[in-house]
Amino acid sequence: NAGVMQNPRHLVRRRGQEARLRCSPMKGHSHVYWYRQLPEEGLKFMVYLQKENIIDESGMPKERFSAEFPKEGPSILRIQQVVRGDSAAYFCASSPQGQNTEAFFGQGTRLTVV
Amino acid sequence: AQSVTQLDSQVPVFEEAPVELRCNYSSSVSVYLFWYVQYPNQGLQLLLKYLSGSTLVKGINGFEAEFNKSQTSFHLRKPSVHISDTAEYFCAVTPPRGAGSYQLTFGKGTKLSVIP
Repeated sequence: NAGVMQNPRHLVRRRGQEARLRCSPMKGHSHVYWYRQLPEEGLKFMVYLQKENIIDESGMPKERFSAEFPKEGPSILRIQQVVRGDSAAYFCASSPQGQNTEAFFGQGTRLTVV
Repeated sequence: AQSVTQLDSQVPVFEEAPVELRCNYSSSVSVYLFWYVQYPNQGLQLLLKYLSGSTLVKGINGFEAEFNKSQTSFHLRKPSVHISDTAEYFCAVTPPRGAGSYQLTFGKGTKLSVIP
């Protein structure tokens, strides 16, 4: 049973480009969470999704960021028109139900904006 | 809302010595508590969690933590550390139910360096 898979592991984008981060949850998990880790900081919650639904996006920046979890395929975190301040590690977690007591984390995508 | 304070950003310790990593939290409601470990360029791995019951929780790799409700603390301990324990450790909380119960609130992390 593979764990939470995130790709790419490393992503370099120039300012103004788009970044697409993918997350495939563990088998049997239908709940996905995205977190951002800025340098020297802990992880900050961004968004919680179930299949085809955004449940809570209270941690998402108001502009340029969006997330989806389609019926088929991985969850996608999209950042449009990236800026240097978007450089961070983005982690995805998944759980079988909407409870973080059973959440498993992926290895993260490290985004560098140049 | 909840908040987590990890009092030490870096903790150096000699191999085979004991270690304690401190975590205090603030919350207006009861919480579940977690410790995660992050090895360099890796994701987070759950070390242990407190949901209810005994306040002393044992986790993987010989770590344990004690929940102290009166002091709102959840300190992580290991009696004898190994080189392989060198990593960053994060304390996290979440309310068991209601608003935000699916969000983990993390501390800023403590970098444990084990010295040979």
